[in-house]
Amino acid sequence: EVQLVESGGGLVQPGASLKLSCVASGFTFSDYWMSWVRQTPGKTMEWIGDIKYDGSYTNYAPSLKNRFTISRDNAKSTLYLQMSNVRSEDTATYYCTSTPPAYWGQGTLVTVSS
Amino acid sequence: DVVMTQTPPSLSVAIGQSVSISCKSSQSLVASDKNTYLNWLLQSPGRSPKRLIYQVSKLDSGVPDRFSGSGSEKDFTLKISRVEAEDLGVYYCLQGTHLPYTFGAGTKLELK
Repeated sequence: EVQLVESGGGLVQPGASLKLSCVASGFTFSDYWMSWVRQTPGKTMEWIGDIKYDGSYTNYAPSLKNRFTISRDNAKSTLYLQMSNVRSEDTATYYCTSTPPAYWGQGTLVTVSS
Repeated sequence: DVVMTQTPPSLSVAIGQSVSISCKSSQSLVASDKNTYLNWLLQSPGRSPKRLIYQVSKLDSGVPDRFSGSGSEKDFTLKISRVEAEDLGVYYCLQGTHLPYTFGAGTKLELK
């Protein structure tokens, strides 16, 4: 059974940094491009970016490129999202997905508030 | 960015009724490899999104054939024949042709 399990969310202050993780199982993680997607409290879905199966290439939504970094560790079947200088508008549930989005995690909630 | 315009925003249906959801893109979604990367997702209440359809009309494994996708270029439709209670939730279209990938605003399917 395919599983993607995100972690690392929580309450964080504006301007802080946060790193999310996503552990994959049930499929060959190193064969897949992987993505991060977020959903705002108002249910708007936004694609954040993705990373090539070997970690050698990334794509980002232009509005997030300067603050968010996607990486992976194939030995640990783990995807990461490093968020820096977070803002209130980054409050959302963050999902890791395969690219294409056949597989989704359960999401981790990030709340940015002082 | 490609804008995905999804309509209607909500639908109120009776069990057994058939419904259609439209998704129009601001640019053609035909990729350089000639494929069209248009997906349909369903987010059931309290759950993560789940992909139902990829490349316009291909059903994911386990998806009932009551669901069908059609369309081309910039105009796409999801049809649900004989709606069942498990079909309720929010449907999103997602284009995977042009970076950055973009979603429609969603269509909430509710019981009448």
